[in-house]
Amino acid sequence: RKEVEQDPGPFNVPEGATVAFNCTYSNSASQSFFWYRQDCRKEPKLLMSVYSSGNEDGRFTAQLNRASQYISLLIRDSKLSDSATYLCVVNMAGGSYIPTFGRGTSLIVHP
Amino acid sequence: NAGVMQNPRHLVRRRGQEARLRCSPMKGHSHVYWYRQLPEEGLKFMVYLQKENIIDESGMPKERFSAEFPKEGPSILRIQQVVRGDSAAYFCASSPGLGGREQETQYFGPGTRLLVL
Repeated sequence: RKEVEQDPGPFNVPEGATVAFNCTYSNSASQSFFWYRQDCRKEPKLLMSVYSSGNEDGRFTAQLNRASQYISLLIRDSKLSDSATYLCVVNMAGGSYIPTFGRGTSLIVHP
Repeated sequence: NAGVMQNPRHLVRRRGQEARLRCSPMKGHSHVYWYRQLPEEGLKFMVYLQKENIIDESGMPKERFSAEFPKEGPSILRIQQVVRGDSAAYFCASSPGLGGREQETQYFGPGTRLLVL
């Protein structure tokens, strides 16, 4: 089982739709979780951190389920500009920690 | 506050030459990470450095690749005797440090796209 897994998609949705992605992780010692967005041929950019209690930033909501070892990202009222690849990042605690990136989920929002 | 800077943005090398990629972290950040991304693939961790120390290089190929982060100046990723398979985007990221979400959040540079002919 891979350390961090994401459905590669693509998720093809119309403008205004609500879409959700999940990301599963294998190491129960994981401590910090993030969602990044990567546009084609650009660098990843931090979208939001994921807090244990869940958190919201405008149209974006992130949640963590430690029992089932997954995090989720919900995008409401999708915009054309939301089209990108969404990367899940999981950090393990302690020692020489290495952030582990998922391969990303591709989202295409069409008119 | 300038972001993470990388140069060159594009680098073309012939097989057998050396490639040097530079990364200047954000001001106040003491941790640097290098990643490689092949076309249509995800980010692969290569190496994690602090000033004058390599903390983890478990993702680095055993030969031809090396990295440093000197006390003064940028972090350098060096690839000797490049081969066509080295063609990729190389991203650098920096973070303030360890210990908590804020300290561990990484910010990426624009990347260096290496093309080996």
